[in-house]
Amino acid sequence: EAQVTQNPRYLITVTGKKLTVTCSQNMNHEYMSWYRQDPGLGLRQIYYSMNVEVTDKGDVPEGYKVSRKEKRNFPLILESPSPNQTSLYFCASSLSGGRQYFGPGTRLTVT
Amino acid sequence: AQTVTQSQPEMSVQEAETVTLSCTYDTSESNYYLFWYKQPPSRQMILVIRQEAYKQQNATENRFSVNFQKAAKSFSLKISDSQLGDTAMYFCAFMKLVKAAGNKLTFGGGTRVLVKP
Repeated sequence: EAQVTQNPRYLITVTGKKLTVTCSQNMNHEYMSWYRQDPGLGLRQIYYSMNVEVTDKGDVPEGYKVSRKEKRNFPLILESPSPNQTSLYFCASSLSGGRQYFGPGTRLTVT
Repeated sequence: AQTVTQSQPEMSVQEAETVTLSCTYDTSESNYYLFWYKQPPSRQMILVIRQEAYKQQNATENRFSVNFQKAAKSFSLKISDSQLGDTAMYFCAFMKLVKAAGNKLTFGGGTRVLVKP
């Protein structure tokens, strides 16, 4: 089954404690992205990757890091989380110009 | 930069009736896609319909259809014969067809649709 998986689905953490949200896809897609969803703002792109070792900033990259060492995985790293990073996070993957497949979302709360 | 605006934060509709969600966008691009996504309470992002900007014919998917007005930069979604399962947040999204853009989706703020029995 074609899918994008994210872990964890829910996470509550404290300010400054480093965390990683994993994302994996099984469709051999070139493109992967991270989005955050906040009320009234829709989804906004954080980072994207067009292939292994190729990543670039989206619209709201501050406070986040990513890596793409393998084609299937695209982890999102928050090295020092802050309360303003409390949000719903989505990973997505696609072929060039193709339909995007979204993961189930990760609800992050930073206290 | 592209912007997408959904002017209706919330809408309600009676079961079996029709509801239309509005979306406007701003871009200088000529080649792009437009999308409507549905987000039910499960939070899953579900693709409802896609429109290629070069196609004049409006896309349809079963009870869902769009009215794409390229010159006006308008992309509304019509839900016919509304069902209780249509209750969800609906997002309009834009994607320009430039490889370097990384398939980035630009989303509107969303419209919450409540279908009443």
